[in-house]
Amino acid sequence: DTEVTQTPKHLVMGMTNKKSLKCEQHMGHRAMYWYKQKAKKPPELMFVYSYEKLSINESVPSRFSPECPNSSLLNLHLHALQPEDSALYLCASSQDPAEKLFFGSGTQLSVL
Amino acid sequence: GESVGLHLPTLSVQEGDNSIINCAYSNSASDYFIWYKQESGKGPQFIIDIRSNMDKRQGQRVTVLLNKTVKHLSLQIAATQPGDSAVYFCAENHGSGNTGKLIFGQGTTLQVKP
Repeated sequence: DTEVTQTPKHLVMGMTNKKSLKCEQHMGHRAMYWYKQKAKKPPELMFVYSYEKLSINESVPSRFSPECPNSSLLNLHLHALQPEDSALYLCASSQDPAEKLFFGSGTQLSVL
Repeated sequence: GESVGLHLPTLSVQEGDNSIINCAYSNSASDYFIWYKQESGKGPQFIIDIRSNMDKRQGQRVTVLLNKTVKHLSLQIAATQPGDSAVYFCAENHGSGNTGKLIFGQGTTLQVKP
Protein backbone atom coordinates (compact mmCIF):
# COMPACT_ATOMS: atom_id res chain seq x y z
CA ASP A 1 0.00 0.00 0.00
CA THR A 2 1.70 3.19 -1.19
CA GLU A 3 -1.20 5.57 -0.74
CA VAL A 4 -2.14 8.40 1.53
CA THR A 5 -5.92 8.35 1.88
CA GLN A 6 -7.89 11.45 2.78
CA THR A 7 -11.56 11.72 3.68
CA PRO A 8 -13.84 13.34 2.84
CA LYS A 9 -12.89 14.43 -0.68
CA HIS A 10 -15.23 17.40 -0.50
CA LEU A 11 -16.66 19.25 2.49
CA VAL A 12 -19.00 22.21 2.77
CA MET A 13 -19.43 23.73 6.20
CA GLY A 14 -20.88 26.78 7.84
CA MET A 15 -18.87 29.12 10.03
CA THR A 16 -20.40 27.70 13.21
CA ASN A 17 -19.85 24.04 12.34
CA LYS A 18 -17.32 21.61 13.75
CA LYS A 19 -15.87 19.09 11.32
CA SER A 20 -12.81 16.88 11.01
CA LEU A 21 -10.57 15.93 8.11
CA LYS A 22 -8.99 12.50 8.22
CA CYS A 23 -5.81 11.10 6.76
CA GLU A 24 -4.43 7.58 6.81
CA GLN A 25 -1.25 5.88 5.57
CA HIS A 26 0.00 2.31 5.95
CA MET A 27 3.52 2.75 4.62
CA GLY A 28 5.09 2.79 8.07
CA HIS A 29 5.98 6.45 7.66
CA ARG A 30 6.81 8.26 10.89
CA ALA A 31 6.22 11.85 9.76
CA MET A 32 2.87 13.26 8.71
CA TYR A 33 1.93 16.71 7.46
CA TRP A 34 -0.96 19.06 6.80
CA TYR A 35 -0.70 21.57 3.95
CA LYS A 36 -3.20 24.16 2.75
CA GLN A 37 -3.43 25.02 -0.94
CA LYS A 38 -5.41 27.89 -2.45
CA ALA A 39 -6.29 27.83 -6.14
CA LYS A 40 -3.30 28.42 -8.43
CA LYS A 41 -0.94 28.70 -5.46
CA PRO A 42 1.68 26.34 -4.00
CA PRO A 43 0.91 24.20 -0.95
CA GLU A 44 1.61 25.99 2.34
CA LEU A 45 2.84 24.02 5.32
CA MET A 46 0.56 24.05 8.37
CA PHE A 47 1.69 21.28 10.72
CA VAL A 48 4.29 18.53 10.95
CA TYR A 49 4.06 15.49 13.19
CA SER A 50 7.23 13.54 13.75
CA TYR A 51 6.98 10.20 15.55
CA GLU A 52 3.44 11.16 16.62
CA LYS A 53 4.54 14.42 18.23
CA LEU A 54 3.78 17.87 16.86
CA SER A 55 7.13 19.23 15.71
CA ILE A 56 6.13 22.21 13.56
CA ASN A 57 3.16 24.56 13.79
CA GLU A 58 3.44 27.31 11.21
CA SER A 59 1.54 29.88 13.28
CA VAL A 60 -1.77 28.37 12.24
CA PRO A 61 -4.91 29.89 13.87
CA SER A 62 -6.34 27.87 16.74
CA ARG A 63 -9.55 27.19 14.80
CA PHE A 64 -7.41 24.46 13.15
CA SER A 65 -6.48 21.73 15.61
CA PRO A 66 -4.35 18.77 14.50
CA GLU A 67 -4.33 15.38 16.14
CA CYS A 68 -2.22 12.29 15.59
CA PRO A 69 -3.94 9.33 17.32
CA ASN A 70 -1.30 6.85 16.13
CA SER A 71 1.48 6.55 13.58
CA SER A 72 -0.96 5.80 10.72
CA LEU A 73 -3.61 8.42 11.34
CA LEU A 74 -3.71 12.19 11.22
CA ASN A 75 -6.76 14.36 11.81
CA LEU A 76 -7.44 18.04 11.39
CA HIS A 77 -10.28 19.35 13.54
CA LEU A 78 -12.03 22.45 12.25
CA HIS A 79 -14.11 24.86 14.31
CA ALA A 80 -15.50 28.32 13.63
CA LEU A 81 -13.78 28.64 10.26
CA GLN A 82 -13.92 31.70 8.04
CA PRO A 83 -14.76 31.84 4.33
CA GLU A 84 -11.11 32.62 3.58
CA ASP A 85 -10.22 29.19 4.98
CA SER A 86 -11.81 27.63 1.90
CA ALA A 87 -9.01 25.71 0.17
CA LEU A 88 -7.66 22.28 -0.69
CA TYR A 89 -6.26 20.62 2.44
CA LEU A 90 -3.51 18.15 1.68
CA CYS A 91 -2.15 15.45 3.94
CA ALA A 92 1.27 13.95 3.33
CA SER A 93 3.59 11.44 4.92
CA SER A 94 7.28 10.61 4.72
CA GLN A 95 9.55 7.88 6.02
CA ASP A 96 10.94 10.41 8.45
CA PRO A 97 11.27 14.22 8.47
CA ALA A 98 13.29 15.61 5.56
CA GLU A 99 12.58 12.63 3.32
CA LYS A 100 10.35 12.94 0.27
CA LEU A 101 6.68 13.48 0.98
CA PHE A 102 3.84 11.41 -0.44
CA PHE A 103 0.60 13.34 -0.75
CA GLY A 104 -3.04 12.38 -0.63
CA SER A 105 -5.55 13.80 -3.10
CA GLY A 106 -6.78 16.34 -0.59
CA THR A 107 -10.06 17.52 0.87
CA GLN A 108 -11.65 20.43 -1.00
CA LEU A 109 -13.16 22.56 1.76
CA SER A 110 -15.72 25.30 1.25
CA VAL A 111 -16.71 27.50 4.19
CA LEU A 112 -19.99 29.36 3.73
CA GLY B 1 8.81 36.34 0.91
CA GLU B 2 9.22 33.02 -0.91
CA SER B 3 12.57 31.34 -0.56
CA VAL B 4 11.92 29.06 -3.50
CA GLY B 5 10.69 30.35 -6.82
CA LEU B 6 10.29 29.49 -10.46
CA HIS B 7 11.28 31.70 -13.34
CA LEU B 8 8.22 31.23 -15.56
CA PRO B 9 4.59 30.73 -14.53
CA THR B 10 3.73 28.97 -17.81
CA LEU B 11 5.74 26.93 -20.29
CA SER B 12 4.28 25.76 -23.58
CA VAL B 13 6.08 23.04 -25.57
CA GLN B 14 5.40 20.89 -28.59
CA GLU B 15 4.80 17.20 -28.02
CA GLY B 16 8.07 15.33 -28.47
CA ASP B 17 10.27 18.30 -27.57
CA ASN B 18 12.32 18.52 -24.40
CA SER B 19 11.08 20.73 -21.54
CA ILE B 20 13.18 22.62 -19.04
CA ILE B 21 11.57 24.04 -15.91
CA ASN B 22 13.68 26.30 -13.71
CA CYS B 23 13.69 27.15 -10.04
CA ALA B 24 15.77 29.53 -7.92
CA TYR B 25 16.23 29.20 -4.19
CA SER B 26 17.70 31.60 -1.66
CA ASN B 27 18.54 29.52 1.41
CA SER B 28 22.15 28.38 1.19
CA ALA B 29 21.59 25.97 4.08
CA SER B 30 19.00 23.94 2.17
CA ASP B 31 20.35 20.49 1.43
CA TYR B 32 17.48 18.60 -0.16
CA PHE B 33 15.31 19.47 -3.15
CA ILE B 34 12.31 17.76 -4.68
CA TRP B 35 10.28 18.21 -7.85
CA TYR B 36 6.55 17.51 -7.74
CA LYS B 37 3.92 17.29 -10.48
CA GLN B 38 0.34 18.27 -9.71
CA GLU B 39 -2.53 17.49 -12.03
CA SER B 40 -5.91 19.12 -11.69
CA GLY B 41 -7.90 17.73 -8.76
CA LYS B 42 -4.99 15.70 -7.41
CA GLY B 43 -2.31 16.06 -4.77
CA PRO B 44 1.33 16.69 -5.71
CA GLN B 45 3.08 13.62 -7.08
CA PHE B 46 6.78 12.99 -6.42
CA ILE B 47 8.93 13.10 -9.56
CA ILE B 48 12.57 13.20 -8.52
CA ASP B 49 14.77 14.50 -5.71
CA ILE B 50 18.37 15.55 -5.25
CA ARG B 51 20.59 16.21 -2.27
CA SER B 52 23.14 19.00 -2.11
CA ASN B 53 26.10 16.63 -2.39
CA MET B 54 25.08 15.94 -5.99
CA ASP B 55 24.71 18.20 -9.04
CA LYS B 56 22.76 15.89 -11.32
CA ARG B 57 20.33 13.03 -10.96
CA GLN B 58 18.45 11.13 -13.65
CA GLY B 59 15.19 9.25 -13.64
CA GLN B 60 12.97 7.89 -16.35
CA ARG B 61 12.74 10.72 -18.92
CA VAL B 62 13.56 13.29 -16.21
CA THR B 63 16.79 14.87 -15.06
CA VAL B 64 17.30 17.28 -12.18
CA LEU B 65 20.28 19.64 -12.16
CA LEU B 66 21.46 21.51 -9.09
CA ASN B 67 23.80 24.48 -9.25
CA LYS B 68 24.63 25.45 -5.69
CA THR B 69 26.89 28.32 -6.77
CA VAL B 70 23.96 30.29 -8.18
CA LYS B 71 21.28 28.50 -6.11
CA HIS B 72 19.47 27.18 -9.16
CA LEU B 73 17.53 23.99 -9.76
CA SER B 74 16.10 22.70 -13.02
CA LEU B 75 13.92 19.83 -14.19
CA GLN B 76 14.42 18.50 -17.68
CA ILE B 77 11.73 16.32 -19.25
CA ALA B 78 12.75 14.43 -22.38
CA ALA B 79 10.30 13.81 -25.24
CA THR B 80 7.45 15.66 -23.54
CA GLN B 81 4.08 13.94 -23.80
CA PRO B 82 0.51 15.24 -23.39
CA GLY B 83 0.33 13.38 -20.06
CA ASP B 84 3.11 15.63 -18.79
CA SER B 85 0.75 18.61 -18.81
CA ALA B 86 0.46 19.73 -15.20
CA VAL B 87 1.77 22.24 -12.67
CA TYR B 88 5.34 21.54 -11.59
CA PHE B 89 6.63 22.65 -8.19
CA CYS B 90 10.13 22.64 -6.85
CA ALA B 91 10.36 22.20 -3.10
CA GLU B 92 13.18 22.88 -0.71
CA ASN B 93 13.93 21.39 2.65
CA HIS B 94 14.04 24.64 4.53
CA GLY B 95 17.00 25.00 6.79
CA SER B 96 19.53 22.58 8.11
CA GLY B 97 18.86 19.32 9.84
CA ASN B 98 15.87 17.04 9.64
CA THR B 99 13.20 19.64 10.24
CA GLY B 100 10.60 18.23 7.87
CA LYS B 101 9.86 21.77 6.72
CA LEU B 102 9.38 21.45 2.99
CA ILE B 103 8.67 24.77 1.27
CA PHE B 104 7.22 24.93 -2.24
CA GLY B 105 8.00 27.37 -5.03
CA GLN B 106 5.26 29.14 -6.98
CA GLY B 107 4.88 26.51 -9.69
CA THR B 108 5.16 26.38 -13.47
CA THR B 109 2.26 25.24 -15.61
CA LEU B 110 3.49 23.00 -18.43
CA GLN B 111 1.26 22.92 -21.50
CA VAL B 112 2.01 20.31 -24.13
CA LYS B 113 0.74 21.05 -27.63
CA PRO B 114 -0.10 18.04 -29.80
